[in-house]
Amino acid sequence: SQELEQSPQSLIVQEGKNLTINCTSSKTLYGLYWYKQKYGEGLIFLMMLQKGGEEKSHEKITAKLDEKKQQSSLHITASQPSHAGIYLCGAVSANQAGTALIFGKGTTLSVSS
Amino acid sequence: EAQVTQNPRYLITVTGKKLTVTCSQNMNHEYMSWYRQDPGLGLRQIYYSMNVEVTDKGDVPEGYKVSRKEKRNFPLILESPSPNQTSLYFCASKLAGGREQYFGPGTRLTVT
Repeated sequence: SQELEQSPQSLIVQEGKNLTINCTSSKTLYGLYWYKQKYGEGLIFLMMLQKGGEEKSHEKITAKLDEKKQQSSLHITASQPSHAGIYLCGAVSANQAGTALIFGKGTTLSVSS
Repeated sequence: EAQVTQNPRYLITVTGKKLTVTCSQNMNHEYMSWYRQDPGLGLRQIYYSMNVEVTDKGDVPEGYKVSRKEKRNFPLILESPSPNQTSLYFCASKLAGGREQYFGPGTRLTVT
């Protein structure tokens, strides 16, 4: 079965610093989602990447998909306290006609002011 | 407002007492799914439904039941809850051909 590994597991950065979170898949990625979750709350969709080499940005968050490496990275520029939370990558499962999502275990981001 | 709603948001119950967590979406989505989130294990799929009257097991279905009698509703049923079902539960939905999966706000369940 496919697995997603996120690194690092947790991250503490000073406000204004840049950071990168990685998501590596054990199998070829056919679609990679990034979600953000405030502790104990629902998931907020950030972006989805589908094509190798694809890059998308939303405000100060940029995500890239490298299909050859079966990896995606999420980069936050000039971090702010509002960026704090749990970042989850999700991949379209090969099962269920491509409708299921499997998730990494998440990266907890803390931003100190 | 397009949304997925779950009720209750918080529930404390005792072992063996049947309970139902409701999930409803107002976006006419065909696909609905239930996940549970546990520390160190991440999000894992319990059951999913491709459309009305079509349901199937996810990765961790043991101890759970679901039904899909209407397109908008997808309740999660715990016939005899046990402490290992203490978790944060999320319902999600999407269009059959859509990309984005919309998540509900979560239900925090504690079974004592």
